[in-house]
Amino acid sequence: QVQLVESGGGVVRPGGSLTLSCAASGFTFSNHAMHWVRQAPGKGLEWVAFMSYDGSKYSYADSMKGRFTISRDNFQNTMTLQMNSLRPEDTAVYYCARDLGRFGELCDYWGQGTLVTVSS
Amino acid sequence: DIQMTQSPSSVSASVGDRVTITCRASQGISTWLGWYQQKPGKAPKLLIYAASGLQSGAPSRFSGSRSGTDFTLTISSLQPEDFATYYCQQAHTPPFTFGPGTTVEIK
Repeated sequence: QVQLVESGGGVVRPGGSLTLSCAASGFTFSNHAMHWVRQAPGKGLEWVAFMSYDGSKYSYADSMKGRFTISRDNFQNTMTLQMNSLRPEDTAVYYCARDLGRFGELCDYWGQGTLVTVSS
Repeated sequence: DIQMTQSPSSVSASVGDRVTITCRASQGISTWLGWYQQKPGKAPKLLIYAASGLQSGAPSRFSGSRSGTDFTLTISSLQPEDFATYYCQQAHTPPFTFGPGTTVEIK
């Protein structure tokens, strides 16, 4: 069965960096685009970034551009989100999600999420 | 960027009620829209894709429709397990924005 497992969350000071990972299994990872979506405590869902099945297309939410970098390894079946210059408003549960298709659509499977807390 | 709005922000309903939630896109997105259900402490689940397609595993009491830039999620007969928050998301153009959510509460 499809499994997505996020890791790397934790507490970081404002201005710091953190790298999140998503380990995928149970499907052909290289056939699907992948997304990061976050949810601040008590708030709604916020789309963060996506990368196409082959890494040729990617995009970020405006507030993450220049600070976050998405990448994937189709040999290791993993996706990564490098987060720099973190702000308190980046505090959220970060979800890894599989796309229905190859180039960016909707998310049909989600991980359990990993909590990132940005605080001094 | 495409903005998504939802109404109402919350709705109180009873088991067996018909519930309708509306989502509006700030510009044309064709049928590039999905609906998710999220329960507290859990990841979202995709219910509807392409505006009206029922995702595998989603109960048939959920349906979606489109009229221009307006989209509707309908729960035909509310069940106890349907009390949750529902989000729409556009998949037409990045950033793939979500609506603010609609909470379905027990009346």
